[in-house]
Amino acid sequence: SAVISQKPSRDICQRGTSLTIQCQVDSQVTMMFWYRQQPGQSLTLIATANQGSEATYESGFVIDKFPISRPNLTFSTLTVSNMSPEDSSIYLCSVADSNQPQHFGDGTRLSIL
Amino acid sequence: QKEVEQNSGPLSVPEGAIASLNCTYSDRVSQSFFWYRQYSGKSPELIMSIYSNGDKEDGRFTAQLNKASQYVSLLIRDSQPSDSATYLCAVRAMNYGGATNKLIFGTGTLLAVQP
Repeated sequence: SAVISQKPSRDICQRGTSLTIQCQVDSQVTMMFWYRQQPGQSLTLIATANQGSEATYESGFVIDKFPISRPNLTFSTLTVSNMSPEDSSIYLCSVADSNQPQHFGDGTRLSIL
Repeated sequence: QKEVEQNSGPLSVPEGAIASLNCTYSDRVSQSFFWYRQYSGKSPELIMSIYSNGDKEDGRFTAQLNKASQYVSLLIRDSQPSDSATYLCAVRAMNYGGATNKLIFGTGTLLAVQP
């Protein structure tokens, strides 16, 4: 399966700042997704990153808070904007080709002070 | 009603025993099911996928699917301490156009294999 690199692996940020997380895949993939996993919880889909167009957001997630880019078939970014302590979480990138299982990057562990 | 339900555990089994993990789902037309293993502090890792009723075996792992009863299970034979992890059940979401590419995850079952 594809090698998925996520950066940074962890960060500690100040309230009110923004952080951009990168997801790089070593081969072209059809689908890229961004998830959030809050402490002790399961995975919640934030959005599907669409190549060359706006991301498709799930209920409860908005573009102003979580802007996403996907300029090509191997790269995507998720920005967490105007962070508050409630944004402390693990953010995960996953990739898949059509109708194939999703595979996850190592995740970004984010703490907000 | 949750769309994908799992017992949160912990499920404790002795080394060498069979661990049985269960998952139920609410959407009767779901067609694709996945089991992910997540070690503490790590990201989920795909271990099994299943699409048809019956059993699918891969090494010590067997996935079982019963669409009529809307449940999917994962059996781990000869359990090892290294199998201790959270096991996440995921179901591919459906809409009016058919299967989507989105996954719905259960809350996971924590498995503890005792040496």
